[in-house]
Amino acid sequence: DVKVTQSSRYLVKRTGEKVFLECVQDMDHENMFWYRQDPGLGLRLIYFSYDVKMKEKGDIPEGYSVSREKKERFSLILESASTNQTSMYLCASSLNRGNPKSTNEKLFFGSGTQLSVL
Amino acid sequence: AQKITQTQPGMFVQEKEAVTLDCTYDTSDPSYGLFWYKQPSSGEMIFLIYQGSYDQQNATEGRYSLNFQKARKSANLVISASQLGDSAMYFCAMRSLKAAGNKLTFGGGTRVLVKP
Repeated sequence: DVKVTQSSRYLVKRTGEKVFLECVQDMDHENMFWYRQDPGLGLRLIYFSYDVKMKEKGDIPEGYSVSREKKERFSLILESASTNQTSMYLCASSLNRGNPKSTNEKLFFGSGTQLSVL
Repeated sequence: AQKITQTQPGMFVQEKEAVTLDCTYDTSDPSYGLFWYKQPSSGEMIFLIYQGSYDQQNATEGRYSLNFQKARKSANLVISASQLGDSAMYFCAMRSLKAAGNKLTFGGGTRVLVKP
């Protein structure tokens, strides 16, 4: 069965700490994504990566960075955590079939990390 | 820019009845795909159904069907014969052909609570 694994289900950090959220997928997917989920706002894209060592900013990249050194692992980094980064963070992955006419490639999600910054 | 709007923040539905979840979208790209995901309390996002903008027929997957009205830019999800296990958050999402890296844009979600 396909699997996207996020290292922590719940995380509590203090303001100013450097925070690492880890995500691993076992499906050999090219694309990986980090979203944050907030009530009423749905999921908003922070960063994504379509290949090893490649990264692209999403809609809300400020205050975050990412790392993709290996195909299966995509890390989200909060350089200096702030209270407004308290949120649910969801990692996802998808195949990149290389078909420029394709829009049906679905995302596979992890179970999420609920981060609280105090 | 792409935008997805779900106007119903929450709704109750009686067990065994059908429920319709609204979704409208905005894109200038003629080629796009629409998705619905379910998120139970466990947190994991579960893919339910997909509709392509050029598909001639409305998509169906078991008890889920998508009422796709292209001219109105709406893609409502219909869940027939609701079950208690259908209680969850539901998200509508879209990908346009021009979107880099297969990224999806999501709506704000609708919380469904099925009453016995």
